[in-house]
Amino acid sequence: EAQVTQNPRYLITVTGKKLTVTCSQNMNHEYMSWYRQDPGLGLRQIYYSMNVEVTDKGDVPEGYKVSRKEKRNFPLILESPSPNQTSLYFCASSSGPVSYEQYFGPGTRLTVT
Amino acid sequence: DQQVKQNSPSLSVQEGRISILNCDYTNSMFDYFLWYKKYPAEGPTFLISISSIKDKNEDGRFTVFLNKSAKHLSLHIVPSQPGDSAVYFCAASANDYKLSFGAGTTVTVRA
Repeated sequence: EAQVTQNPRYLITVTGKKLTVTCSQNMNHEYMSWYRQDPGLGLRQIYYSMNVEVTDKGDVPEGYKVSRKEKRNFPLILESPSPNQTSLYFCASSSGPVSYEQYFGPGTRLTVT
Repeated sequence: DQQVKQNSPSLSVQEGRISILNCDYTNSMFDYFLWYKKYPAEGPTFLISISSIKDKNEDGRFTVFLNKSAKHLSLHIVPSQPGDSAVYFCAASANDYKLSFGAGTTVTVRA
């Protein structure tokens, strides 16, 4: 089954404790992206990757890091989480640019206390 | 500052009637527009898209209209069905890799 998986689905952590949210797709897609969803703001793009070792900032990259060492994986790293990073996070992938259909993961609910 | 705006947070419609969702944008460089649908506890799923060279695109019960001069697009769902109850996000792109979303409109279809 073609899918994008994210782990963990739910995470509660404390300020400053480094964490990684994993994202993996099995569709051999070149393009991957991370979004956060907040009430009243919709989805905002954090980082995206056009291919292995090629990444760039989206609209809200502050406080986040990403890496793309393999085509299928695109982890999101929070080196020192803060309460304003409490949000619902989605990973997405597509076979081409954003005008192509993006496939989203199920989401990761992160709470930083 | 949000470049894509969905000014109606919610919409309630009778089953079988038309649902009309609206979206406005401010960036005149946007050249591709998409609608995504999201159910609770799931990721968004692609619904329909339109290029700026067109003013209408239709896919079954879903039609998207684009008015470039007004920087406005709308999604029509005819007829509305209970399974259409979801949050609908409008999105726009000015290049190949960055996508801007609106805040979403929650549609409730009443039986």
